[in-house]
Amino acid sequence: AQTVTQSQPEMSVQEAETVTLSCTYDTSESDYYLFWYKQPPSRQMILVIRQEAYKQQNATENRFSVNFQKAAKSFSLKISDSQLGDAAMYFCAYKRGAQKLVFGQGTRLTINP
Amino acid sequence: ETGVTQSPTHLIKTRGQQVTLRCSSQSGHNTVSWYQQALGQGPQFIFQYYREEENGRGNFPPRFSGLQFPNYSSELNVNALELDDSALYLCASSPYDRKLSFGPGTRLTVL
Repeated sequence: AQTVTQSQPEMSVQEAETVTLSCTYDTSESDYYLFWYKQPPSRQMILVIRQEAYKQQNATENRFSVNFQKAAKSFSLKISDSQLGDAAMYFCAYKRGAQKLVFGQGTRLTINP
Repeated sequence: ETGVTQSPTHLIKTRGQQVTLRCSSQSGHNTVSWYQQALGQGPQFIFQYYREEENGRGNFPPRFSGLQFPNYSSELNVNALELDDSALYLCASSPYDRKLSFGPGTRLTVL
C-alpha cells in the first residue's frame, strides 16, 4: 500500500523568509501524481502545486516550488518570500490515476511577523 | 472557486444515531470521493463513486455508505454513530481522472 510521510509536525518561519516542508512516500508504481495541499483554519483544502511523476522538471507556482526526487521518493515544498497568509496546515498527497488520494499527516506552518 | 458545496456545516449527534451528509458538485464532475479527517490528522479515504457506482473503498466499515445522484450531488450516510466518528468530512469531486475540487467540509461531533 502506498504511504506518505511528513516528518515535520510543525514549522515556523519569519515573514519574507524561505521555508521548506518535507515529504517522503512509498510506492512501487512508476506513474503517479504528487500534490501539496494547503488547509487554512477555514478548512477548505486548496491545491498548492501538483507534480506528475513522469516529468523530471520540478513544478513551480509563483512563490511555491517543489524538489521532486523520484529515486529517493522525496517531494519537498519550498515557499519563498513567506507571507502571513501562507500560515496553514500543509498536506502532501499521492494519487495514481483515478484512484484515491493518500495524504500525509500534515505540517502546521506558522509565519512570524 | 471550487463550486463544491457541503451541508450542513456543523452537526452534533449522539452515539447510536444515524447521520446523512450532503455534497453538491459542479456540473460534469462524474467522480466524487469522501474523506474523513480526524482532528490533527490527514484526511483518510472513505469511498469513491463514479457515475453513481461505488468504484473504490477505504478501510471503513459497512455502516459508512454513500450515494451519488445524476444531478452531481452525493450523500454520505453513517449508521450507529460512534464517538470516534467525530471528524471533519470532506467531499471532493472531479471529471474522471482530473483535478479534484474539495468542498469546505462538514464538522460532525458525536456525543
